[in-house]
Amino acid sequence: DAGVTQSPTHLIKTRGQQVTLRCSPKSGHDTVSWYQQALGQGPQFIFQYYEEEERQRGNFPDRFSGHQFPNYSSELNVNALLLGDSALYLCASSFPSGVYEQFFGPGTRLTVL
Amino acid sequence: SQQGEEDPQALSIQEGENATMNCSYKTSINNLQWYRQNSGRGLVHLILIRSNEREKHSGRLRVTLDTSKKSSSLLITASRAADTASYFCATGGGSEKLVFGKGTKLTVNP
Repeated sequence: DAGVTQSPTHLIKTRGQQVTLRCSPKSGHDTVSWYQQALGQGPQFIFQYYEEEERQRGNFPDRFSGHQFPNYSSELNVNALLLGDSALYLCASSFPSGVYEQFFGPGTRLTVL
Repeated sequence: SQQGEEDPQALSIQEGENATMNCSYKTSINNLQWYRQNSGRGLVHLILIRSNEREKHSGRLRVTLDTSKKSSSLLITASRAADTASYFCATGGGSEKLVFGKGTKLTVNP
């Protein structure tokens, strides 16, 4: 049973560029959430996708956008990268309701120079 | 914003000792979860305790919850070097966003 997978593992970009991160949920899960974790901090919720729609959104600017595909996989896009966007980006999958555990992927380490 | 704070921020113990980490949160909850993170990688779910439970065990882990004080504790008994990691409490989950604290960095020395 494959767990949550994310790609790429590491990414280096320069300010102003755009980046796309990808996530495949755990088998049987249809809800995907994205989190940003700055160094030394706990993860911060970016948004959650269910049935190909953004269901909830955290306190992140519109430069952060996402998408969910019919196979439940998801993308996180960040435009006009800032130095402060450097972080570990975590994807988590879960069932839509009734079960609270979220299962996390290994993360994508984004460095913005 | 962070839901609350873990205490202590860092903890260093010897193998075989017990490690206790505390977590406080701000709002009413349905459940509280604890996660482990090794070396800045993905989080691993450890245990979930529901708001109507006071204590829960899983192997060497014991979690308590005091909703009147809005606090929880995670006890790891007979710690091992492999327990070295950061530990986070989080409220929410499932269809709700997880709201994490800043974590406790545990170092278990062999």
